[in-house]
Amino acid sequence: KQEVTQIPAALSVPEGENLVLNCSFTDSAIYNLQWFRQDPGKGLTSLLLIQSSQREQTSGRLNASLDKSSGRSTLYIAASQPGDSATYLCATYSGNTPLVFGKGTRLSVIA
Amino acid sequence: DGGITQSPKYLFRKEGQNVTLSCEQNLNHDAMYWYRQDPGQGLRLIYYSQIVNDFQKGDIAEGYSVSREKKESFPLTVTSAQKNPTAFYLCASSGGLAGGRKNIQYFGAGTRLSVL
Repeated sequence: KQEVTQIPAALSVPEGENLVLNCSFTDSAIYNLQWFRQDPGKGLTSLLLIQSSQREQTSGRLNASLDKSSGRSTLYIAASQPGDSATYLCATYSGNTPLVFGKGTRLSVIA
Repeated sequence: DGGITQSPKYLFRKEGQNVTLSCEQNLNHDAMYWYRQDPGQGLRLIYYSQIVNDFQKGDIAEGYSVSREKKESFPLTVTSAQKNPTAFYLCASSGGLAGGRKNIQYFGAGTRLSVL
């Protein structure tokens, strides 16, 4: 059964810093990997989806990479801003079953 | 606007009572999902439905029930058998359980359930 792990559970950085969030998964036979953002008390918003055949996806200051062979994905946030403060979750899709989510990394960007 | 609407935003349950959480989507999505989120925990899947009149149990279905009589609606009932119902409940939908962008899930704003 797929397990998704996100380390660290929480991260605090000063504004302007570039940062990397990590996601690892145990079963490399995935179709895609998705990154989501969740603000406190809110639902999730999809940020990026990487297909299994892709190595990375970019959206604005966000760049997500995927290395299936090692079971890892990273979300790179450039020039962080206080508005980036949120919990970031990754999730994998492996076939005809719903997404499997990690527990998330809670990011605080300090002005 | 297209999206997913969950209601109510806050819900209180008395002991022994069943309560129903509403989830409606106008995205014309085939698949719908219910998740439970506890503090410091990730999302745990309760039930999902790939098509009208069909649904499957997720990882923590005990004490919950669902129906899918219409494509747009996927209500979740928290029964009295669920002894620890206090949590944040999220509903989501997607084009289907297929690969590619059809698999992207869109979430509602959530319902926070508490026990009186």
